[in-house]
Amino acid sequence: GENVEQHPSTLSVQEGDSAVIKCTYSDSASNYFPWYKQELGKRPQLIIDIRSNVGEKKDQRIAVTLNKTAKHFSLHITETQPEDSAVYFCAASISGGYNKLIFGAGTRLAVHP
Amino acid sequence: DGGITQSPKYLFRKEGQNVTLSCEQNLNHDAMYWYRQDPGQGLRLIYYSQIVNDFQKGDIAEGYSVSREKKESFPLTVTSAQKNPTAFYLCASRTSGSTDTQYFGPGTRLTVL
Repeated sequence: GENVEQHPSTLSVQEGDSAVIKCTYSDSASNYFPWYKQELGKRPQLIIDIRSNVGEKKDQRIAVTLNKTAKHFSLHITETQPEDSAVYFCAASISGGYNKLIFGAGTRLAVHP
Repeated sequence: DGGITQSPKYLFRKEGQNVTLSCEQNLNHDAMYWYRQDPGQGLRLIYYSQIVNDFQKGDIAEGYSVSREKKESFPLTVTSAQKNPTAFYLCASRTSGSTDTQYFGPGTRLTVL
C-alpha cells in the first residue's frame, strides 16, 4: 500500500524567512496530493493541493511542487509570519473512487518574530 | 468545512465500555471518513463510506465499528476490543465526482480513564 514520509518533523524559522517541507510517496499510481494545516486542538484545514498533471501550483505565499519521477512533493511558504506556526501534513491518494488519503507524520513549524 | 459537526468535543470512557462518536454533515457529501490522530503522528484511516449502507475498513479498523444508515450521518463506535483508544478522532467528508477535497469536522478527544 501507499506510504508517505514527511521531513523535517520540526522546523523553526525567523519571521520573513522561507520554509520548505518535503514529502515522498511510494505508490506511483497516486495522483492527488493535498497539504493541510492544523493549529493546536483544531481540525486540519486544506491549504493547497496539486494533481499529477501539474508540476507546480501557487497561492499567494504558498506553493507546492511535484516531481512524479522521483515521487516527491514539497510545500514552500515564503515571507513566513507568526500565524503560519502550526503542524502541516502532506497526503497522497488516487483520485476518484474511495479517495483514501495516506498522511505523512506532520511537520511542526514555528515562526519566531 | 463548517457543515461537518462532531460530538461530543471531549469524551471520557472507562475501560470495558463502548462509546459512540457522532459525525453529521449537511453538505450533501456522499463519502465520509473516520481518522484517528495520536500525538506526533499523522492521521490514520479507521473506516470510510462511499454511499449509504456501504462502508470499508481502513488501515486500523480493529476495535472500531461504524454504520451509514443516512447520507448525513456516520457514527463511530469505539468498542472495548480497542486496547488503546485514547486519541483525537476526526471525521471528514467529500462530495462525489471529480473533486478530491476532504473537509474535516472539529474532532472528538477521547480519553480512557
